[in-house]
Amino acid sequence: AQKVTQAQTEISVVEKEDVTLDCVYETRDTTYYLFWYKQPPSGELVFLIRRNSFDEQNEISGRYSWNFQKSTSSFNFTITASQVVDSAVYFCALSKVTSGTYKYIFGTGTRLKVLA
Amino acid sequence: GAVVSQHPSWVICKSGTSVKIECRSLDFQATTMFWYRQFPKQSLMLMATSNEGSKATYEQGVEKDKFLINHASLTLSTLTVTSAHPEDSSFYICSAEDRRTMNTEAFFGQGTRLTVV
Repeated sequence: AQKVTQAQTEISVVEKEDVTLDCVYETRDTTYYLFWYKQPPSGELVFLIRRNSFDEQNEISGRYSWNFQKSTSSFNFTITASQVVDSAVYFCALSKVTSGTYKYIFGTGTRLKVLA
Repeated sequence: GAVVSQHPSWVICKSGTSVKIECRSLDFQATTMFWYRQFPKQSLMLMATSNEGSKATYEQGVEKDKFLINHASLTLSTLTVTSAHPEDSSFYICSAEDRRTMNTEAFFGQGTRLTVV
């Protein structure tokens, strides 16, 4: 069965602290995609990153970085020097082919609160 | 990235009435659209998948007669909540993708917050 687990329900940090959001996934597929989305209080989903299963290179984009490890089925997300504007719910998602169609499976989300 | 526009952003309706939510792809042709439902502080749950010109495929447990999905064109899909009840109050989000480009990324709308009173 395919599944995405975000064990951290809510995290609170003080501004400028680094924070890592965990994501563990389960799939039997060899080809799949992993995503991170940010959902601010307004509700829209903001795309952050996509990674395919054959690309284990870590990625850095400004204060954001992602660590993809197939050996542990994890795709963790780190925010360095966090800011109040980073406060949001962050979703990790797995995209897989089901009956010829790509479908997203979302984790339960991690609510990040960055305190000033 | 591509833009998906969802309308309205929020709607309040009386119990027993029907509500239509629109999802439009503004700068690309969406061969496939997805409708999700999100209860407060919960994750997104896929309701249905629709391909342009075809009937929608509903996930298990989703009533197709209650949640009518129409995907008549490559840029527009609609979700109609029929005979809405308070338990239908939720945040509904659509996403769209163009399968012909082999793009594996779906683009999400801003969501619609439905409140049934």
